[in-house]
Amino acid sequence: DAKTTQPPSMDCAEGRAANLPCNHSTISGNEYVYWYRQIHSQGPQYIIHGLKNNETNEMASLIITEDRKSSTLILPHATLRDTAVYYCIVRVAIIIQGAQKLVFGQGTRLTINP
Amino acid sequence: GAVVSQHPSWVICKSGTSVKIECRSLDFQATTMFWYRQFPKQSLMLMATSNEGSKATYEQGVEKDKFLINHASLTLSTLTVTSAHPEDSSFYICSVRGENYGYTFGSGTRLTVV
Repeated sequence: DAKTTQPPSMDCAEGRAANLPCNHSTISGNEYVYWYRQIHSQGPQYIIHGLKNNETNEMASLIITEDRKSSTLILPHATLRDTAVYYCIVRVAIIIQGAQKLVFGQGTRLTINP
Repeated sequence: GAVVSQHPSWVICKSGTSVKIECRSLDFQATTMFWYRQFPKQSLMLMATSNEGSKATYEQGVEKDKFLINHASLTLSTLTVTSAHPEDSSFYICSVRGENYGYTFGSGTRLTVV
């Protein structure tokens, strides 16, 4: 099961900052938080990931609370092309195989309005 | 991240036939790949973890004899849907676990069984 909770939908005006929250209250100390987005009928696209420090790249910023139980993805200047489903994922470890799979929750459907 | 190519992007097949979907890692030797399925308006559901040179690890409830996974090389994993039925119609997506942040997704395959 997914270990994250996100609001099912959000709206944001074009040009404004979009702030997408995610709760992951059961996250373990060595688990990363990943954010992906999926535009209709395409494969998910990587946005950003982090462990405990805030992270920023050319697409977005990731703010993780000090207790790591929640995080916020920030799209600083949303455009119409940012309309997508955004997934917050905690990376789960596969003990036997030594590899780590991503388990998707329901995500947040973000709509950017002109 | 890795560059992933998934083929075909869409396929229509008759009920009872088998369909093979390919996932290629073009610039990274992938020891681990993942296969997901997505029904309309739903999230991605992990089906199995594909391991190079060994048997795939299937998620609970996924029939391994129906969804055959072969990962014979470090650049190619295939998913074969055997004896396909209309309820197998779905969007199938592969993912490659590479280095750095690690997870790149293919563009997906839309399977329609008629």
